[in-house]
Amino acid sequence: DAKTTQPTSMDCAEGRAANLPCNHSTISGNEYVYWYRQIHSQGPQYIIHGLKNNETNEMASLIITEDRKSSTLILPHATLRDTAVYYCIVRVGGGNAGNMLTFGGGTRLMVKP
Amino acid sequence: GAVVSQHPSWVICKSGTSVKIECRSLDFQATTMFWYRQFPKQSLMLMATSNEGSKATYEQGVEKDKFLINHASLTLSTLTVTSAHPEDSSFYICSARLAGGPDEQFFGPGTRLTVL
Repeated sequence: DAKTTQPTSMDCAEGRAANLPCNHSTISGNEYVYWYRQIHSQGPQYIIHGLKNNETNEMASLIITEDRKSSTLILPHATLRDTAVYYCIVRVGGGNAGNMLTFGGGTRLMVKP
Repeated sequence: GAVVSQHPSWVICKSGTSVKIECRSLDFQATTMFWYRQFPKQSLMLMATSNEGSKATYEQGVEKDKFLINHASLTLSTLTVTSAHPEDSSFYICSARLAGGPDEQFFGPGTRLTVL
């Protein structure tokens, strides 16, 4: 699976949009971009995933660049409860293609009042 | 939907004893479950992949005789830490993939193991 690079930490003001970048320059054509987050002392929570089109759900939006070498997770109106470590993971998706997730260091997002 | 539970949520044991951790998918069937370990201020590390009715596949460096995994049904996988030592103290997290469903994994809340 392709390696990802994320900033170690970021701050965001409560109520503002949080934009979390991820670089995955070695991504291959059949690899998806997944985002999970982990609130302190809890299990990770799935947020969103995509292949090449931008995706949006009730939690966040995922913007993938046209060359697919980077992506941005957007939390449109961050709240204090969004403080967590956010993991960007790239891997082959669908069917029985591995399914395992390789977690990197992630980005520690601190939402401040 | 897609809730995964773990039991216990925390456990303290003496060195040399064995500890069993249960992972259950509450409202779906999971053909595959994963076990991760997370040390303080570190990321999750995959320990093993567990498939219902077959032997688990362990990651390099994980002792299969020390970390026994049983996946006897489509809703339950167990991890037994045998002869636990203080260095096994960690946060153990399981995840489950919905059988025949979307590709995302659903994680349990984790079990914090402290070995004295």
